[in-house]
Amino acid sequence: DTGVSQDPRHKITKRGQNVTFRCDPISEHNRLYWYRQTLGQGPEFLTYFQNEAQLEKSRLLSDRFSAERPKGSFSTLEIQRTEQGDSAMYLCASSRLTGTGELFFGEGSRLTVL
Amino acid sequence: AQKVTQAQTEISVVEKEDVTLDCVYETRDTTYYLFWYKQPPSGELVFLIRRNSFDEQNEISGRYSWNFQKSTSSFNFTITASQVVDSAVYFCALSERGGATNKLIFGTGTLLAVQP
Repeated sequence: DTGVSQDPRHKITKRGQNVTFRCDPISEHNRLYWYRQTLGQGPEFLTYFQNEAQLEKSRLLSDRFSAERPKGSFSTLEIQRTEQGDSAMYLCASSRLTGTGELFFGEGSRLTVL
Repeated sequence: AQKVTQAQTEISVVEKEDVTLDCVYETRDTTYYLFWYKQPPSGELVFLIRRNSFDEQNEISGRYSWNFQKSTSSFNFTITASQVVDSAVYFCALSERGGATNKLIFGTGTLLAVQP
C-alpha cells in the first residue's frame, strides 16, 4: 500500500477565491471520506463516496463545497468563494467495503483563507 | 444522538509514567464500533485499535491497553511506561449505524505530552 495521498499539503488563498484539493486513496479501497479538522477539535465528517457514488453529505457541507470521485479512484474537494471560516485541515481517508472498518487517513491539506 | 467525549484536553507526564486517556460515548445503536487514533505532529491519523460492542474483553498490545466497559459507556486507553514518541493527540471515535458506512464520529482529542 502506498497510503492515502493528498495535494496540496498547504494552501493559502484570499477570501473569495476558489480552491481545490485532491485525494488519492489506497488503490483497492472502495470508500473515500472527507473530513474537516479545526484547531483543537476532532475531525468532522463532510462526505463519503462508495466507488463513484456520493452516498452522504454532512450539513457542514454548504453549497459552496462540492466533492467528486469521477471514476471511483481519486477524489476532489472544491470550495468556492472561500471564507475565513473555511480555514481548516481537510483530511481524506479511505477504507475497504468490508473488513475491520479501519479508515486510513492522508496527511491532510491545510487551508488558510486570508 | 451519537457523541464521543474526551474530557481531558491535555495531559503532561514524565517519561516512564503510566497514563490513561478517558473516552465516554453515547449511542442508541446496539451494534457499534469504537476506535482510537493517534495524530502525531505530522498530522496523519494513525489507527490504533477497533472494538465492537459485543466484545468487552480488555486488550493489550505492547505498552498499550484498552478497557471497554459498556456499563459506563467508556473505552479508556492506557499507555504503560510512556515514551517521548508517544507525544501526540489521541482521538477516540465511534462508528455510526453499526459500522455500516465506516463513518466515524470523533471526540475532541487529548493532547499527550511526554517529557523526557
